[in-house]
Amino acid sequence: EPEVTQTPSHQVTQMGQEVILRCVPISNHLYFYWYRQILGQKVEFLVSFYNNEISEKSEIFDDQFSVERPDGSNFTLKIRSTKLEDSAMYFCASSEVPYQETQYFGPGTRLLVL
Amino acid sequence: GESVGLHLPTLSVQEGDNSIINCAYSNSASDYFIWYKQESGKGPQFIIDIRSNMDKRQGQRVTVLLNKTVKHLSLQIAATQPGDSAVYFCAESNFNKFYFGSGTKLNVKP
Repeated sequence: EPEVTQTPSHQVTQMGQEVILRCVPISNHLYFYWYRQILGQKVEFLVSFYNNEISEKSEIFDDQFSVERPDGSNFTLKIRSTKLEDSAMYFCASSEVPYQETQYFGPGTRLLVL
Repeated sequence: GESVGLHLPTLSVQEGDNSIINCAYSNSASDYFIWYKQESGKGPQFIIDIRSNMDKRQGQRVTVLLNKTVKHLSLQIAATQPGDSAVYFCAESNFNKFYFGSGTKLNVKP
């Protein structure tokens, strides 16, 4: 069964460093999402992406965040200058169509900022 | 902002019993609702969804009920099994933004 994959599974970085989290969505999906989950808290929407541009973004997704689809398979989330509060699990998801359609989540990347 | 909350943080049920997990949402404009299951160390897994033009939808062993009058969503799991033990989130959607509840932990006792 097709699945969303994410790399790395864990990432430790120093405050102020840039990190890039990678995702490979399901191959025939066209809509991509990033979420984060701070330990013990709810899953929070960050951004949705379609046709090489951002469709929606939340208040969390500020200038420190960016997303990109650099090739036909990868979808990345970049945090330019990490802060301690960026420590969280980051989930990528994809769906065939937007708006009221099943999203399939990857296993997540656990980011720890020291 | 939107608010999606769960009434019970932890629910313990006996194997074979039915489980009911509840969720309240605050945005009457939300038009799509989803239940996810999250096992420890894994990403959310889609269980069932419902659109705002419906009030009930059934899947395999699961039923979602939507009461728009009181902005309430519930997930019913029939004949709960040990493999159902997980955290369950509801989520609401409005214009392709998704807002998740904080989750209910379901413990299934053998």
